[in-house]
Amino acid sequence: EVQLVQSGAEVKKPGESLKISCKGFGYTYNTYWIGWVRQMPGQGLEWMGSIYPRDSDTRYSPPFQAQVTISADESITTAYLQWSSLKASDTGIYYCARFAGAGPMDVWGQGTTVIVSS
Amino acid sequence: DIQMTQSPSSLSASLGDRVTITCRASQSISNYLNWYQQKPGKVPMLLIYSASRLQSGVPSRFSGSGYGTDFTLTISSLQPEDFATYYCQQSFILVSFGGGTTVEIE
Repeated sequence: EVQLVQSGAEVKKPGESLKISCKGFGYTYNTYWIGWVRQMPGQGLEWMGSIYPRDSDTRYSPPFQAQVTISADESITTAYLQWSSLKASDTGIYYCARFAGAGPMDVWGQGTTVIVSS
Repeated sequence: DIQMTQSPSSLSASLGDRVTITCRASQSISNYLNWYQQKPGKVPMLLIYSASRLQSGVPSRFSGSGYGTDFTLTISSLQPEDFATYYCQQSFILVSFGGGTTVEIE
């Protein structure tokens, strides 16, 4: 079965760092992009950026460019989203999803809830 | 950046109603337009890709149309399980989502 499995929920304090993960199963991992999508409480979906694990080609949405780092380790079919200094406004659910080229996001991870509170 | 604008932002409808949601792109995106459904507390699910192609397993009451800048998602006869939020998304240049349309029970 094709699936993306994300790491568990996190509760952090402002200023702390965090790295969450998204592991792919059941497909040829390095032929798909992995995208990260944020959903703040009660809000819509926002694309943060994407990575092509085969060569680590990474694209960011401008609002997120300086806020997060996206990476991947092809050898363990895992992509990452990390913050060096969290803010309360980073609270939300973060989804990873796969897509091929300019195609749709057809498989989604279960989401990782991040709560940033002092 | 390509901006995606959905309308309406919410609508109320009854079972059996025909529902249409509109999505407009700020520039031409050919047919690189996808639709997703998200129920409360659940993961988004792909419904329609390439503007009009039905994802496997999605009921045929869902359909999509459009090309260039203007697109529509239609639900031909609203069912109880269709009450959800719907998002359009372009994949022509990078990725961007519309703001969402919440379909509520009238």
